Amino acid sequence: GENVEQHPSTLSVQEGDSAVIKCTYSDSASNYFPWYKQELGKGPQLIIDIRSNVGEKKDQRIAVTLNKTAKHFSLHITETQPEDSAVYFCAATPPYDYKLSFGAGTTVTVRA
Amino acid sequence: DAGVIQSPRHEVTEMGQEVTLRCKPISGHDYLFWYRQTMMRGLELLIYFNNNVPIDDSGMPEDRFSAKMPNASFSTLKIQPSEPRDSAVYFCASSYGGAGEQYFGPGTRLTVT
Repeated sequence: GENVEQHPSTLSVQEGDSAVIKCTYSDSASNYFPWYKQELGKGPQLIIDIRSNVGEKKDQRIAVTLNKTAKHFSLHITETQPEDSAVYFCAATPPYDYKLSFGAGTTVTVRA
Repeated sequence: DAGVIQSPRHEVTEMGQEVTLRCKPISGHDYLFWYRQTMMRGLELLIYFNNNVPIDDSGMPEDRFSAKMPNASFSTLKIQPSEPRDSAVYFCASSYGGAGEQYFGPGTRLTVT
């Protein structure tokens, strides 16, 4: 099955700076890569996703990049704000499976 | 839409008791997923359904766990008997068409003493 590794496990940034979270996956057939944000006491919420036929996708202050050759993908948050503080999860799934394999999560803290 | 609804939000029970967690997926979604989240193991998929039929239950930890989906708008996850190591947050999620764009409920925090 698919195995996803996520780094770093914790990330502290100054408000206004950028944050980058990186994930690697093992199954070269994987073609869907979502990112979830989980705030304290809530369920994970999908914030952005990318499919393997696209190299980069952007939505306002967040962007995701995908390198299929190296089997890694990254989340970039620019101009961080206090409300960006949360746990972020990457995930991957191959087309032959309907299960998402999640990374271990990154706790992001934005310092005011 | 109200999103995925789970009940109860919190459950405290004693070891050996039966626990039933409930989920109402988003209307029109044809996939339903049950996850468990712990600090040690992260987010684990327990079981998922497609059109009310269980497709993969390989993540169910043992026979004490069972899940049903009697119709498109309701699913249950039952633990009988419960043990302290079952303490976790249990999430239900639903999607349309497969693994993509899963919408999670608020979760049920289960504590077994």
